[in-house]
Amino acid sequence: DSGVTQTPKHLITATGQRVTLRCSPRSGDLSVYWYQQSLDQGLQFLIQYYNGEERAKGNILERFSAQQFPDLHSELNLSSLELGDSALYFCASSVPGTGELFFGEGSRLTVL
Amino acid sequence: AQKITQTQPGMFVQEKEAVTLDCTYDTSDPSYGLFWYKQPSSGEMIFLIYQGSYDQQNATEGRYSLNFQKARKSANLVISASQLGDSAMYFCAMREAGNDKIIFGKGTRLHILP
Repeated sequence: DSGVTQTPKHLITATGQRVTLRCSPRSGDLSVYWYQQSLDQGLQFLIQYYNGEERAKGNILERFSAQQFPDLHSELNLSSLELGDSALYFCASSVPGTGELFFGEGSRLTVL
Repeated sequence: AQKITQTQPGMFVQEKEAVTLDCTYDTSDPSYGLFWYKQPSSGEMIFLIYQGSYDQQNATEGRYSLNFQKARKSANLVISASQLGDSAMYFCAMREAGNDKIIFGKGTRLHILP
């Protein structure tokens, strides 16, 4: 158990819909990272927050948005969903100093 | 710009043999960190090993060691005495000190044969 909690674990929805993925980082970790892993692909960096502020942005689509709340949990909002958005979405929190990432179990999104 | 390259999409290795998984990187930041993660078929991401750019010695963690060649910008993962449970996807990743991004390579799928 990494200490990072992601919900829901599985989600099936239709094209055009909107979903919210939730992440609670490890106790004491201020950074939250979001990654997208499509089938048999590597992890694509989406966005990173540190103590409530956006710190780094990757190839995140405009249809996607995220935020980190005062209690440090984070949400990734995916809207106007397309078939190609089907993927495993990982959240990770970072150890201060080395930057080692501890990953949640992921949220598997299926868009039909 | 940050870049991680893993050139081996898949590898087959006999059990108990040593394995080397290749990783090259590109960065203009003199301070950076390199990581390896394992992703079994169950999907979770497991941290294996970390190497800082200023570390004098190669990192080791049990059967895992990182062959860090700074001038060649390579950070290969060596697994000694491979086991069937080592069959998984392996990802190399990098973080620059001046940049909060941590980027990953495309991964190498390792198959250990009995």
